[in-house]
Amino acid sequence: GQNIDQPTEMTATEGAIVQINCTYQTSGFNGLFWYQQHAGEAPTFLSYNVLDGLEEKGRFSSFLSRSKGYSYLLLKELQMKDSASYLCAVRDTTGGSYIPTFGRGTSLIVHP
Amino acid sequence: DAGVIQSPRHEVTEMGQEVTLRCKPISGHDYLFWYRQTMMRGLELLIYFNNNVPIDDSGMPEDRFSAKMPNASFSTLKIQPSEPRDSAVYFCASSNTGVRGTGELFFGEGSRLTVL
Repeated sequence: GQNIDQPTEMTATEGAIVQINCTYQTSGFNGLFWYQQHAGEAPTFLSYNVLDGLEEKGRFSSFLSRSKGYSYLLLKELQMKDSASYLCAVRDTTGGSYIPTFGRGTSLIVHP
Repeated sequence: DAGVIQSPRHEVTEMGQEVTLRCKPISGHDYLFWYRQTMMRGLELLIYFNNNVPIDDSGMPEDRFSAKMPNASFSTLKIQPSEPRDSAVYFCASSNTGVRGTGELFFGEGSRLTVL
């Protein structure tokens, strides 16, 4: 199984940059996902990392260090609509499973 | 594609009643998942299917919960009898584990269940 840890809540200012961290412990790592979930809506896929390094996609970037069991999601040029919960999910193939386990999520509040 | 479709979107019922939640996955996806989300416990995996076959139901809380997938385009999650502590948002998700895919999950809009 996995232990996934991410901060419960963060606040930031519109136009700024924010970094949301995720640490995990797993024995059969096979990928890390970030999802965004607005209040009352379904989670939607943001990014996927399976190799070390940075993946950039527009204003959002995701970083992975497998040796440290660490990932972060970087959001640039924050907009009010970025206020949401950000879920880190780790896929572990121990036991033949191919299923991601989700962290509790980080609630990001963007204020003017 | 219409995405993952769930029904009902909202359900309010009384303790002891049977609840049936429905899900239509994205066509061609070979995995289907049922999750439950609460403020206290976050997003929890209840059960998942691969090619219509239940693979792991260890997340199902107890015998009151059951899930079926009679064909590739339909799944149900049933709670009988329901209890107030079952109140949560239930998400269905599907994914495609094809070689070129990352296997990310596509979620339905969820079914918000309130048991009084």
